[in-house]
This record gives sequence, C-alpha cells and structure tokens, in this order.
Amino acid sequence: QKEVEQDPGPLSVPEGAIVSLNCTYSNSAFQYFMWYRQYSRKGPELLMYTYSSGNKEDGRFTAQVDKSSKYISLFIRDSQPSDSATYLCAMSATLGSARQLTFGSGTQLTVLP
Amino acid sequence: EAGVTQFPSHSVIEKGQTVTLRCDPISGHDNLYWYRRVMGKEIKFLLHFVKESKQDESGMPNNRFLAERTGGTYSTLKVQPAELEDSGVYFCASSQEVRETQYFGPGTRLLVL
Repeated sequence: QKEVEQDPGPLSVPEGAIVSLNCTYSNSAFQYFMWYRQYSRKGPELLMYTYSSGNKEDGRFTAQVDKSSKYISLFIRDSQPSDSATYLCAMSATLGSARQLTFGSGTQLTVLP
Repeated sequence: EAGVTQFPSHSVIEKGQTVTLRCDPISGHDNLYWYRRVMGKEIKFLLHFVKESKQDESGMPNNRFLAERTGGTYSTLKVQPAELEDSGVYFCASSQEVRETQYFGPGTRLLVL
C-alpha cells in the first residue's frame, strides 16, 4: 500500500467551477502537508503549506487537513484555464534534521474556457 | 532571485553509459534534495544534502547512483552504468532551512535506451 494515495483524475471542469482535489495517507507521523502545482515540462511549484489540522486560505485556494481521518484537500474557487496543471499533494514527518517529501501521484486538472 | 537550475534539461543515453546531472540551488540554500519520477509513478525522494554533507540518502536505489556536493554549492548526480529503469525525470530542490519550503528545479528528463 502506498503511503499517500491521490485521486488520479484526470479532472475536467468548466471555467468558474469549484475544484476539489484530495489525498489520503497512512503514515500518522506526517505533520507537514503541501500542495504543489506542476505545469507541463516544469518543476513542482508550491501552492499551499499547512502544519496543523483545519483550513488555510490563500486567495482562490483553500487547503484543508484532517489528521484524524488522514485526509487532505485542496479547493480551488472560480477556477481559471490558467489553473490547468497537475496538482500534487506532498507530506513529510519530522525526522531529526532531515525532511524528505512523500508525494501523491498527482491529479491532472483541465479547466475549460 | 534565480531559482533552482538543472542541467541538462534532457539526456538520451544508451544502457551502460554514464550520465551526470547537475543542480544549482538557490543562492544561500544549505539544503539540497534530489528526487525522481519514473514513468507512471509518483515523485520519489533520493537524498538530502546539508551543505556538503549527505544528511539522508535512504532513497538512493543502488550503488550505481553517486551524488556529490563539493563546497556546499552545486550538486551532481551520476548514474553509472545507466539501466533502462533509470529513465525518468530527475528533480532537484533546495531550501534555506530544513523545515522550510522546498523549491524545485525544472528537472532533467533522462531516457536510457
């Protein structure tokens, strides 16, 4: 079983829709949760970073963490064609002075104009 | 501020040959990470440098892979000899402090024929 499971998609939505992206994890040691966006032929770009359970909002993006259920979500409001990309969840535990990220497999999102 | 840069962007080699990938982290970032994504799989951690020291190399697949970071600046990842299963995208990331955001480079696309 993978440590991080991510809904594979692909996901296609009309412009202006609300998008929900999700990941579940099995390792209860994970404490840091991130969402990265990756455009084609580019490296992952950090979108959101959370530490505790609850919601964190940044513009049109809201990250939600539920540690009791080992479930994280990213919501995108008023989606735009420029949001079309692959979205990766990533998480890490505190391991002394090292912090390797464990990624989900990514969800490919297309926002249609 | 320049981001993480990687060279080359693409490399096509034959099985048994040697390839060296280079990563230049963001200036001042002591932490440097290597990750890779093989076809159809999620991004996986390879290793973590703090300055010139290997902090965590638990993700290195075997002894055909050798990473160095002389002087604590740029890093190289050598694959010798390359095998077909080494094909994929190799990402480098850097962070100022270990608990801070990891910024990713665009990746090197390696194809072993």
